[in-house]
Amino acid sequence: DSGVTQTPKHLITATGQRVTLRCSPRSGDLSVYWYQQSLDQGLQFLIQYYNGEERAKGNILERFSAQQFPDLHSELNLSSLELGDSALYFCASSDLTSGGASTQYFGPGTRLTVL
Amino acid sequence: DQQVKQNSPSLSVQEGRISILNCDYTNSMFDYFLWYKKYPAEGPTFLISISSIKDKNEDGRFTVFLNKSAKHLSLHIVPSQPGDSAVYFCAASAGNQFYFGTGTSLTVIP
Repeated sequence: DSGVTQTPKHLITATGQRVTLRCSPRSGDLSVYWYQQSLDQGLQFLIQYYNGEERAKGNILERFSAQQFPDLHSELNLSSLELGDSALYFCASSDLTSGGASTQYFGPGTRLTVL
Repeated sequence: DQQVKQNSPSLSVQEGRISILNCDYTNSMFDYFLWYKKYPAEGPTFLISISSIKDKNEDGRFTVFLNKSAKHLSLHIVPSQPGDSAVYFCAASAGNQFYFGTGTSLTVIP
């Protein structure tokens, strides 16, 4: 158990809809990262937050947005969903701002299926 | 553009032998490299890391080698055990961004 929790575990929705994925980092970790893993693909970095502020942005679509709240939990919002958005979405947390020196701890993921 | 590549999607090794997983990268700005292990239905778990100022890091049965001139990273597992069967991802970071490979599925045959 990494200490990172993600809800829901599974999500099935229709095209055009909007969903929210939730992540609670390990106790004491200030950084949260979001990743997308599509079929046969590696983990694609989406976005990082540190203590409530956006710190780094990767391949995140404009239809997607995220935020980190004062209690440090984070939400990833996916809107106008398309079939290609079906994927595993992972959240990870770390205790340092410097990506090079920190270790990320991953949650179990949310499997999103868009029909 | 895949900056971190794992060209072998799968690898099978006999129990007790050495497993060698390879990873190539293109960005010379990467300064930290990591290996993660992933079991089905779970998130990736950190395994071992190496800073770009080193060329080797060892942790028990796991050793990571870094060849900066070749932009190549490898993970050696000796001896391999059936419980090592999983998908292994290599990752590289520059600043606050992490880049992951597509993974290599390792099967250790008893």
